[in-house]
Amino acid sequence: GQNIDQPTEMTATEGAIVQINCTYQTSGFNGLFWYQQHAGEAPTFLSYNVLDGLEEKGRFSSFLSRSKGYSYLLLKELQMKDSASYLCAVLDSNYQLIWGAGTKLIIKP
Amino acid sequence: EAGVAQSPRYKIIEKRQSVAFWCNPISGHATLYWYQQILGQGPKLLIQFQNNGVVDDSQLPKDRFSAERLKGVDSTLKIQPAKLEDSAVYLCASSLGVSNSPLHFGNGTRLTVT
Repeated sequence: GQNIDQPTEMTATEGAIVQINCTYQTSGFNGLFWYQQHAGEAPTFLSYNVLDGLEEKGRFSSFLSRSKGYSYLLLKELQMKDSASYLCAVLDSNYQLIWGAGTKLIIKP
Repeated sequence: EAGVAQSPRYKIIEKRQSVAFWCNPISGHATLYWYQQILGQGPKLLIQFQNNGVVDDSQLPKDRFSAERLKGVDSTLKIQPAKLEDSAVYLCASSLGVSNSPLHFGNGTRLTVT
């Protein structure tokens, strides 16, 4: 079966750095997305990786290792508004999106 | 550009009643998705349209759920009759349809079945 694993919940301090991991086992791979979802709101797109390596976008970076079936989202200089759930989603060989359950990130002052 | 529009925002119904949700995607987006999201879980795909054709409805409970996308633009999702376990947020999303194009989500409809 297809599976995506993320930690259920993480806590970090304002101003710090946090890394949210995602491991996947899917039938094929055509890219990995990260979405941010604030409580009671819709998911919004953060990043897309299809090649190995690090993609940096402001305070957020996303890393992919296809051989290890692994990705992480790195958030720097954490702000209170970063408190949200972070969803990892993989495009499988049929170009269908497989979603993880999300990681709830709690930022403390 | 205008985002994905969904209505209603909230809906409370009793079990065995029917309900319908409406979605208008971003202009020019060929692909439209309906997802069900239960609190604390990732979105679960119910149905995916490419223009007005169905691409994937393998997880749609067809005995009670139906969806249509007439004219390849807006879409409706219906539940009849509703069950308690249908309580969830129903998200509509659209994309350009290219494999790496991100999904743009509407604000969703929070359905409570009592």
